[in-house]
Amino acid sequence: AQTVTQSQPEMSVQEAETVTLSCTYDTSESDYYLFWYKQPPSRQMILVIRQEAYKQQNATENRFSVNFQKAAKSFSLKISDSQLGDAAMYFCAYRPANSGGSNYKLTFGKGTLLTVNP
Amino acid sequence: KAGVTQTPRYLIKTRGQQVTLSCSPISGHRSVSWYQQTPGQGLQFLFEYFSETQRNKGNFPGRFSGRQFSNSRSEMNVSTLELGDSALYLCASSRFGAGGGTEAFFGQGTRLTVV
Repeated sequence: AQTVTQSQPEMSVQEAETVTLSCTYDTSESDYYLFWYKQPPSRQMILVIRQEAYKQQNATENRFSVNFQKAAKSFSLKISDSQLGDAAMYFCAYRPANSGGSNYKLTFGKGTLLTVNP
Repeated sequence: KAGVTQTPRYLIKTRGQQVTLSCSPISGHRSVSWYQQTPGQGLQFLFEYFSETQRNKGNFPGRFSGRQFSNSRSEMNVSTLELGDSALYLCASSRFGAGGGTEAFFGQGTRLTVV
């Protein structure tokens, strides 16, 4: 079974600084997708960034980028120029790419609560 | 384009009762998944529906059930509620739900409290 581990329950960062959130996963699949979701106090899960395992290039979305290390099964999220609105719970999630029953679900880590200090 | 809509937003039920939660996916999305979120267990997959068929089910007791209608709207039902069923229930929709990298879009959830 696939597992996703986020070893940092809480992180804090100063506004305008950079912070990196860690995520490791375990899978026997060779093709899969990894996601970072953000859940602010409003509770709605918002997709931050997506990475396809077959792509070696790290995904970037504006101030958000990932460091994807497939061999190490590591998928960290870097937030640059942190803003107050970045404060939220961040979840790392995994989804296999192959068709089949297990494909149709996301496996989430426990989350990292990010605080942004002004 | 409207997002994923979940109703109601909040519910308070008594132990032993049953409850039905509703989810309207984004227009054109045929896959709907349900997740339970609790402080202790985190986010756990309940089930996924595509074109009115359940394709996958998580490790939850039979008291948890769901269905999907021809317009892709989905409902989940929990019978004989227990205190431990208190949670945030999240619904997510995606275009296909299969491999292809289509991301899931989430609703704001229904907060269920069982007393």
